[in-house]
Amino acid sequence: GQQVMQIPQYQHVQEGEDFTTYCNSSTTLSNIQWYKQRPGGHPVFLIQLVKSGEVKKQKRLTFQFGEAKKNSSLHITATQTTDVGTYFCAVLLNDYKLSFGAGTTVTVRA
Amino acid sequence: DGGITQSPKYLFRKEGQNVTLSCEQNLNHDAMYWYRQDPGQGLRLIYYSQIVNDFQKGDIAEGYSVSREKKESFPLTVTSAQKNPTAFYLCASRSGTLTGELFFGEGSRLTVL
Repeated sequence: GQQVMQIPQYQHVQEGEDFTTYCNSSTTLSNIQWYKQRPGGHPVFLIQLVKSGEVKKQKRLTFQFGEAKKNSSLHITATQTTDVGTYFCAVLLNDYKLSFGAGTTVTVRA
Repeated sequence: DGGITQSPKYLFRKEGQNVTLSCEQNLNHDAMYWYRQDPGQGLRLIYYSQIVNDFQKGDIAEGYSVSREKKESFPLTVTSAQKNPTAFYLCASRSGTLTGELFFGEGSRLTVL
């Protein structure tokens, strides 16, 4: 089954507002990846975090890996309609097995 | 262009019939994966293959079978033993390094009538 809990499952956001989605694991992770799936599309890789406490930014998206490497977050500022979709975190359980969280589905009110 | 090609994009089948979904990649990746996606459940791993002629069961392998006879190809057969086969199936590949990302195909939507 899924090794990470992702919350919230749904996020309804007013355009221009910020929001955060979280991924939590009971075990220490070697790394964590984030993907975005647009409606009707396939998941596309966004970023990977490897180091404890790591923070990476992609324009309005900020990704963070917890100090204990058991949780991660994705924060989006000034949400736009282009941010609509489902955001997944994925963790490497061994060298090859990648397990995904259930995803956070984001809708935006204009 | 390099990438992953899945076919068919849409497939309708009657109950009790086996169905094979195709997945081909020209990225020269060692590892290939099949995931199933249902609404609200994210992506669940069916099978994965690290290298040619080798594959492992994922979390929901029952009712599915795969083969990996060539590096480029990783077909998935949905057998009649799969109790609820209607779903969106995604194939992906990865370079196989510890930090490699997944590249996904566009998916195959299977509907069993």
